[in-house]
Amino acid sequence: DTAVSQTPKYLVTQMGNDKSIKCEQNLGHDTMYWYKQDSKKFLKIMFSYNNKELIINETVPNRFSPKSPDKAHLNLHINSLELGDSAVYFCASSQEASGTPRNEQFFGPGTRLTVL
Amino acid sequence: AQKITQTQPGMFVQEKEAVTLDCTYDTSDQSYGLFWYKQPSSGEMIFLIYQGSYDEQNATEGRYSLNFQKARKSANLVISASQLGDSAMYFCAMRGSNAGNMLTFGGGTRLMVKP
Repeated sequence: DTAVSQTPKYLVTQMGNDKSIKCEQNLGHDTMYWYKQDSKKFLKIMFSYNNKELIINETVPNRFSPKSPDKAHLNLHINSLELGDSAVYFCASSQEASGTPRNEQFFGPGTRLTVL
Repeated sequence: AQKITQTQPGMFVQEKEAVTLDCTYDTSDQSYGLFWYKQPSSGEMIFLIYQGSYDEQNATEGRYSLNFQKARKSANLVISASQLGDSAMYFCAMRGSNAGNMLTFGGGTRLMVKP
């Protein structure tokens, strides 16, 4: 009964390629996120998305784009991959419409992207 | 802008002892939430505990408690009776009234429990 799942778990690719990471949540949550964790373990938000609004962290290059085919999925597309994109990417979800402040985010297992 | 600072990059604790992981934050928001997550070597992010800025009592979840000092803008995590399985990275995170409900994370503390 995986709550937030990501595929693939590992992704190794060449510089310049285009790749996608898929994320699915079965929690019925209304908001999904993408985070990047660099080699020093620092976690940084990339996107926040619900069915009404996409919020983009201003530091994210426009080579990165989230795409949501439906409420349960938020995929991450990356164009023209660069060496600096190597990191672990985490998908997360939360239920924000409930109105409670304690809206913890549930994280997927992460996807380790290595760009050669 | 929000900022989370964890000043302890690494810590050791003896098994069965208590340990405090420090977290200070900076925000201009009046309403905000503070979270702690655990990341074991397997890589997943595990939610541990939450403290709301208007909560009058410190949060507790089993062996985890949060020492919340609002005036000092600190939200330290206390783990009682440390176990070997507590060895992991621990992240303090904050969510304010920013659009998108996004979390801002600290740099993390690596906790190592000695047998």
